Amino acid sequence: EQQVQQSPASLVLQEAENAELQCSFSIFTNQVQWFYQRPGGRLVSLLYNPSGTKQSGRLTSTTVIKERRSSLHISSSQITDSGTYLCAMAPSNTNKVVFGTGTRLQVLP
Amino acid sequence: EAAVTQSPRSKVAVTGGKVTLSCHQTNNHDYMYWYRQDTGHGLRLIHYSYVADSTEKGDIPDGYKASRPSQENFSLILELASLSQTAVYFCASSEPDRINQDTQYFGPGTRLLVL
Repeated sequence: EQQVQQSPASLVLQEAENAELQCSFSIFTNQVQWFYQRPGGRLVSLLYNPSGTKQSGRLTSTTVIKERRSSLHISSSQITDSGTYLCAMAPSNTNKVVFGTGTRLQVLP
Repeated sequence: EAAVTQSPRSKVAVTGGKVTLSCHQTNNHDYMYWYRQDTGHGLRLIHYSYVADSTEKGDIPDGYKASRPSQENFSLILELASLSQTAVYFCASSEPDRINQDTQYFGPGTRLLVL
């Protein structure tokens, strides 16, 4: 069973449009993190958001623990935002992080 | 800034051969992890370590061993490489704290091709 589900699997936007990425978990967690990865590249942590709403620049994450879901909102998308966005969580009381399969974002000029 | 390096960055190995992937971090973190990434599977945890000289099995440990000789170094060993182990391998480190909890810092990855 895939413990972390992400949607959509892929997304194509025009530059300046907003994006909404979703993540849901099959079990409860108190550690939710969003990562960004260029094709074949290093993962970079975007936001650590175990609950509530957290913002960093054009990125806003909202995590609702009791509903076992988290979202990542990207406002005013840029071409350089293209890549894969991964959601990750660790089951409560563990440090074993589980990743989703990612949302592949393509931003067109 | 946190720094995690991996070597080699890419490797071609023969089936049945031994492969060692190395990871070095200068973050002074206690926690280190090895993941593999395959198309359609995302990242999957192979082994991890909380402290030097101790390792734990992750979700897919079969066919892999790990070694943590010091806080800074964490190795992944494939004693008998197989075709199915062709993947990109990522190392990460973290240090749970009150502010950032378990934010993980990743290395650049090692691309392994087993022929």
